[in-house]
Amino acid sequence: SQTIHQWPATLVQPVGSPLSLECTVEGTSNPNLYWYRQAAGRGLQLLFYSVGIGQISSEVPQNLSASRPQDRQFILSSKKLLLSDSGFYLCACNPGHVGEKLFFGSGTQLSVL
Amino acid sequence: AQTVTQSQPEMSVQEAETVTLSCTYDTSESDYYLFWYKQPPSRQMILVIRQEAYKQQNATENRFSVNFQKAAKSFSLKISDSQLGDAAMYFCARSGSARQLTFGSGTQLTVLP
Repeated sequence: SQTIHQWPATLVQPVGSPLSLECTVEGTSNPNLYWYRQAAGRGLQLLFYSVGIGQISSEVPQNLSASRPQDRQFILSSKKLLLSDSGFYLCACNPGHVGEKLFFGSGTQLSVL
Repeated sequence: AQTVTQSQPEMSVQEAETVTLSCTYDTSESDYYLFWYKQPPSRQMILVIRQEAYKQQNATENRFSVNFQKAAKSFSLKISDSQLGDAAMYFCARSGSARQLTFGSGTQLTVLP
């Protein structure tokens, strides 16, 4: 079965600093990959998804960007963090067909101070 | 935007009793999937149950069952014989064309001993 590695678990960054969160997937090939953000006590907001290497779709305009340099690697980045970028970031993977469940990483709690 | 609505931010249930969590959704697609995920304090997303929209039969997984009303776009989760370990945030979700999931805002379930 699929395993999603996401790190770090916790990150504290100053406003204006850069960000790079990495997610790697094991146990599947050519998955769809997703970045979600969860504000405190709220639901999950889809930020980006990717159906293949180099293919990125953005769901909401924001200060963040995503890249997929390899089949099973998905990176979330920012050049300059804002206070509003704080939140819990989850990487997810759909390995196959429509209707299959998403597998989630363990998440990164980002605090921008 | 196609949304998923959970109108109960918080619910509580006595241990061993039954509780129903509500969810309504919007979609223009004829074929889609619906999910309930559980997020305990660890924040790991755990799939509880899945329903295929073209199937009329309601899905069941042990103590968890759904009431799927396609015409009403309603998808409620029933938890029978509630246990302390069921305490968590529960999210309803609907699949999209890129296999992404759109989530509701969640229902925080408390189980009272």
